[in-house]
Amino acid sequence: ETGVTQTPRHLVMGMTNKKSLKCEQHLGHNAMYWYKQSAKKPLELMFVYNFKEQTENNSVPSRFSPECPNSSHLFLHLHTLQPEDSALYLCASSRNEGSEQFFGPGTRLTVL
Amino acid sequence: GESVGLHLPTLSVQEGDNSIINCAYSNSASDYFIWYKQESGKGPQFIIDIRSNMDKRQGQRVTVLLNKTVKHLSLQIAATQPGDSAVYFCAGFSGGYQKVTFGTGTKLQVIP
Repeated sequence: ETGVTQTPRHLVMGMTNKKSLKCEQHLGHNAMYWYKQSAKKPLELMFVYNFKEQTENNSVPSRFSPECPNSSHLFLHLHTLQPEDSALYLCASSRNEGSEQFFGPGTRLTVL
Repeated sequence: GESVGLHLPTLSVQEGDNSIINCAYSNSASDYFIWYKQESGKGPQFIIDIRSNMDKRQGQRVTVLLNKTVKHLSLQIAATQPGDSAVYFCAGFSGGYQKVTFGTGTKLQVIP
């Protein structure tokens, strides 16, 4: 175990649904990240939070809305997604922005 | 465009043999590289890193070689074991996490 947990592990949703992905880290880290991993495509950095403040938004569509209430928790709120948003969504944390990242197991999202 | 890519999508290796996984990058400003291992159903796991002021770094059974002249790095795994079966991908960073690019991954299959 890496100390980073994600729930749910699997999610199937329709395009009109609203759902949220949750990430929690038990490592005392200050930075947290959301990544998207699609089949046969490179890992894509979506958002970066450092000390609860968003420091990076990598041109992500507004149908993805991150929330970081504290340094240990990170959410990704989803609404009106498209089938092409189906992917593995990975959360990671690091002691500080730029240091070694520890990844969670990911949430496998399927949009119907 | 900017890219970090892998030469081979799948690599099959006999148990006990050495494995070499390659990665090419296009951004000459990349100054830090990480190799990740991702097992099925798990998030990426840090294996080894190297900074651009080095051309070789060794870990436990793994060695990363960096050739800045041809913008190429490789991951060598000595005495490959069944537990090494996974997808391996590289990541290149410039200016910290403000600019990170990931490779698509090479699947390593170890034949017992």
